[in-house]
Order: sequence, then C-alpha cells, then structure tokens
Amino acid sequence: GESVGLHLPTLSVQEGDNSIINCAYSNSASDYFIWYKQESGKGPQFIIDIRSNMDKRQGQRVTVLLNKTVKHLSLQIAATQPGDSAVYFCAESKGGGYQKVTFGTGTKLQVIP
Amino acid sequence: DADVTQTPRNRITKTGKRIMLECSQTKGHDRMYWYRQDPGLGLRLIYYSFDVKDINKGEISDGYSVSRQAQAKFSLSLESAIPNQTALYFCATSGISGRSNTGELFFGEGSRLTVL
Repeated sequence: GESVGLHLPTLSVQEGDNSIINCAYSNSASDYFIWYKQESGKGPQFIIDIRSNMDKRQGQRVTVLLNKTVKHLSLQIAATQPGDSAVYFCAESKGGGYQKVTFGTGTKLQVIP
Repeated sequence: DADVTQTPRNRITKTGKRIMLECSQTKGHDRMYWYRQDPGLGLRLIYYSFDVKDINKGEISDGYSVSRQAQAKFSLSLESAIPNQTALYFCATSGISGRSNTGELFFGEGSRLTVL
C-alpha cells in the first residue's frame, strides 16, 4: 500500500548549521511531493513542493531533493535558525483534478542556540 | 484575521455527546478538508468536499459526518463521541486554479477535542 514515512522522529541541529530532514515514500504514482512545517499550537504550513519529474527544487533557504530510484525525499534547510524549530511533514499528492494529500508521521527539528 | 477559522479551538466533552466542529474560510477556495492529527500518526483525512454538492469519505470517516453549508463553510460532526476520538482536528482548503494540483493546503489553527 502507499505510505509516506520518515527516517528520524527527532533531529537536533546547532543554530547556523544546515539541517537535512529525510523521508521515504512507497507510491511511485504521486504527482507532487510536499513539505509542511508545523509550529507548536498551529496548523501545518506549506514550505515547498517538487513535481515528480524533477529531482531538485530550491526556495528561500530550503532545498528539496527527490530521488525516485530509491523513493527518497529530503528537505535541506540552510543556516538553521531558532524559528525553524518545528515538526516537519513530508506529504505526497495525486493531482489531475483530484487532489488527495497523504502525510507522513513528522520529524521534530530542534535548533540548539 | 485568519483565512481559515475553526471553532471551537478547544472542547472537552463526555462519551456519547454530539459534537460539531465548524470551519469557515475567506480564501474563496472550493475545496475543503477535515484532517485528524494524533501523536506519531501524522495527519489523516476524514472527509473532503470539492464543492457544496460534493462530499467524499477519507481514510478514517467512520464515526464522523460532515456538512458543506456553503462554499465557505464545512462542519465536522461526531454524532456520539468516544474517547478514541480525542485528537487535534484540522480544517484545510485548497483552490481550483494555479497550485490546486500540487498538494498545497491551507490549514486552520486546529480544534483540540477531548472525549472523557
């Protein structure tokens, strides 16, 4: 069956260092892969997505990498800041007029000052 | 003001009671969703609606019902609440144009429900 899972439940990173959050997926039919950030007491917020026919996409301080060969997705955060502390979810989406988003279980990122 | 508003934000109730969680949005989106979040399980889809006349079950719809009263309003009901429905509930929306097929959802702040 389809699933989206994460390698590590908690990640601690020194402020200023780069963070890498990993995710494994099993459904090759997904159209998009997405990263969401959830801060304490708030709803998830879209960070960045990548279409299934791409292998890299960059945003502001974030980069998402997609390796379809091993079904692996990662989110890289450059120069991690205290405000980056949150739970990060990877998710997959099937488009084509019908949108179903399946979420992974989440990784908690702790930034050490 | 929040684009996606959920009420109540917190609710404690007893087993067997009927509970309604409400969601309203000012984004003008046609698609609305209800998700449930449990520790260690991520977010799971309960119901979704593509327009006022369209309601669909998600992966965990048993024990829940929904009503799409208008394009901007989507409510979730627990007809007879049970303790294992204690969770954080999120309403979300997405639009039909532009980024609609990418998976970008806009979430409310959540409704924490405790069933005793």
